[in-house]
Amino acid sequence: AQSVTQPDIHITVSEGASLELRCNYSYGATPYLFWYVQSPGQGLQLLLKYFSGDTLVQGIKGFEAEFKRSQSSFNLRKPSVHWSDAAEYFCAVGYQKVTFGIGTKLQVIP
Amino acid sequence: GAVVSQHPSRVICKSGTSVKIECRSLDFQATTMFWYRQFPKQSLMLMATSNEGSKATYEQGVEKDKFLINHASLTLSTLTVTSAHPEDSSFYICSARGGGGNEKLFFGSGTQLSVL
Repeated sequence: AQSVTQPDIHITVSEGASLELRCNYSYGATPYLFWYVQSPGQGLQLLLKYFSGDTLVQGIKGFEAEFKRSQSSFNLRKPSVHWSDAAEYFCAVGYQKVTFGIGTKLQVIP
Repeated sequence: GAVVSQHPSRVICKSGTSVKIECRSLDFQATTMFWYRQFPKQSLMLMATSNEGSKATYEQGVEKDKFLINHASLTLSTLTVTSAHPEDSSFYICSARGGGGNEKLFFGSGTQLSVL
């Protein structure tokens, strides 16, 4: 069965600092991987996705993620965090069905 | 990108009443739609998968008579919470897929249901 682990439930970073959100997955074949962001009371916005090809994926809002098959990881990164990036971030995996991780809440301090 | 419209965004109802939530794909044909439920500070849990013109497939533990799903057209799916109770209060999100896989998967903005 497919699954996603986001080991960090809550992360606090200073504005301007770099960010890395961890994601590990379990999937039987080549995974379809996603990162979504959710602001309070809102739906999900797709940041980026990986299906095949280049393992370093560029997304919106300056985010990127790297697929590492050997580590079963798909970590999300941003070189310089902005206060508006404070939100909940979900890693997800799946082709026909999507399974979400528990989410990582990002807090940005001035 | 494609747009999925979900209405209402927020609904408050009395216990025992039924609530209908609509999910529309505005600029593509959604052969498959998914309904998720999200409890506070938790992840999204898939409730059911619906394919246009056929019965929905419910995940284990989800009561199909409680959560009625209709996918009557390629652009509309509805979720009806029947005889709602306070424990049904939650954030419900739909998603729509245009192709065979999740290359074209888009989410609605969600519905916050509060049952008094």
